[in-house]
Amino acid sequence: RKEVEQDPGPFNVPEGATVAFNCTYSNSASQSFFWYRQDCRKEPKLLMSVYSSGNEDGRFTAQLNRASQYISLLIRDSKLSDSATYLCVVIPNDYKLSFGAGTTVTVRA
Amino acid sequence: DTAVSQTPKYLVTQMGNDKSIKCEQNLGHDTMYWYKQDSKKFLKIMFSYNNKELIINETVPNRFSPKSPDKAHLNLHINSLELGDSAVYFCASSQDPVATNEKLFFGSGTQLSVL
Repeated sequence: RKEVEQDPGPFNVPEGATVAFNCTYSNSASQSFFWYRQDCRKEPKLLMSVYSSGNEDGRFTAQLNRASQYISLLIRDSKLSDSATYLCVVIPNDYKLSFGAGTTVTVRA
Repeated sequence: DTAVSQTPKYLVTQMGNDKSIKCEQNLGHDTMYWYKQDSKKFLKIMFSYNNKELIINETVPNRFSPKSPDKAHLNLHINSLELGDSAVYFCASSQDPVATNEKLFFGSGTQLSVL
């Protein structure tokens, strides 16, 4: 089983819609979780950290479910500029970041 | 000014050649990394240096040799290039070796194509 697994998508949504997707991780001792965003042919950039209690950053909401070992990202009121690949990142107890292969979101006008 | 810069952006070369990719960061970070992103989009760590000292060395063929002349630079030299080396290579940096809340800053990537 891969350390970090994501539904590759693509999730095709109209502008203004809400889209949500999960990422599962295999190491129950994982300590930290992040969502990175990667635009086509560009470098990944940190979108947000994921805290145990869940957290919001504008239209983006991240949640952690330790019991089921997954994190989620929800995007409200989707914009065209949200089109990207969203990479789930998990730091297990050996402190080596593990990246998921990404979930592609395409927002259409 | 670009925080993490790597060159070249594109590298097309023949099998068997030797090539280098350079990386520099001006963030004052102590830790630098090389990641490989293959066609399936997985980002896999290859190496990590903290203050010029190798701290992570994943299972990478020894044809790949990182060199860190100082903590602001981490270069990657690849000998005897093979078709399977074709990928995008990202340099990254962070303030400290990856801890629980460490943000990575990535360079813009080097697209390596081995023909």
